[in-house]
Amino acid sequence: AQSVTQLGSHVSVSEGALVLLRCNYSSSVPPYLFWYVQYPNQGLQLLLKYTTGATLVKGINGFEAEFKKSETSFHLTKPSAHMSDAAEYFCAVSARGSTLGRLYFGRGTQLTVWP
Amino acid sequence: NAGVMQNPRHLVRRRGQEARLRCSPMKGHSHVYWYRQLPEEGLKFMVYLQKENIIDESGMPKERFSAEFPKEGPSILRIQQVVRGDSAAYFCASSPPSIDTEAFFGQGTRLTVV
Repeated sequence: AQSVTQLGSHVSVSEGALVLLRCNYSSSVPPYLFWYVQYPNQGLQLLLKYTTGATLVKGINGFEAEFKKSETSFHLTKPSAHMSDAAEYFCAVSARGSTLGRLYFGRGTQLTVWP
Repeated sequence: NAGVMQNPRHLVRRRGQEARLRCSPMKGHSHVYWYRQLPEEGLKFMVYLQKENIIDESGMPKERFSAEFPKEGPSILRIQQVVRGDSAAYFCASSPPSIDTEAFFGQGTRLTVV
């Protein structure tokens, strides 16, 4: 069974500060890993994904995440926050061999960016 | 290429009525997924369909909920005899036949039961 834990339902940072959103997964086999962003009253947009290959993955809007198998983690980072980054962020996994649309989501982290 | 289209964007139903949510996948996508988002929670998988087939309905409530994806036309999520607890945002996602391509999400239908 797959499960995802996002530590911290709310994260606040100042504009220009480092963004770190935490995600840990539980799975008997390392799954495929995703980060999605949701702006108010909008659908989900894929930020980045890890399936195979390099464990440091770069996504859109300057975000990146690193898959650490030993820590079962896939934390999302951005060196310098921008006001437009304020949104809700969801970590998700899908089982290897399964379709990438069959996702297990974390509860989400609301990111607030202060001027 | 238009994205995943969901309609209506907002739907208000009285308790006991039926709700029909529609999802038109992206062009070339034959896989459709439905997710439900309750307040303060992440998205929960409901059902995975391919054209004319339900592949995985492990997340669907046993009663009142059904889904279809006919050969022609959009996918429909149907909720009969709605109750207040059905109030949520319902998202549809679609993906092409290849299993190693991520799914794309629609903007959701926000159902309010009064």
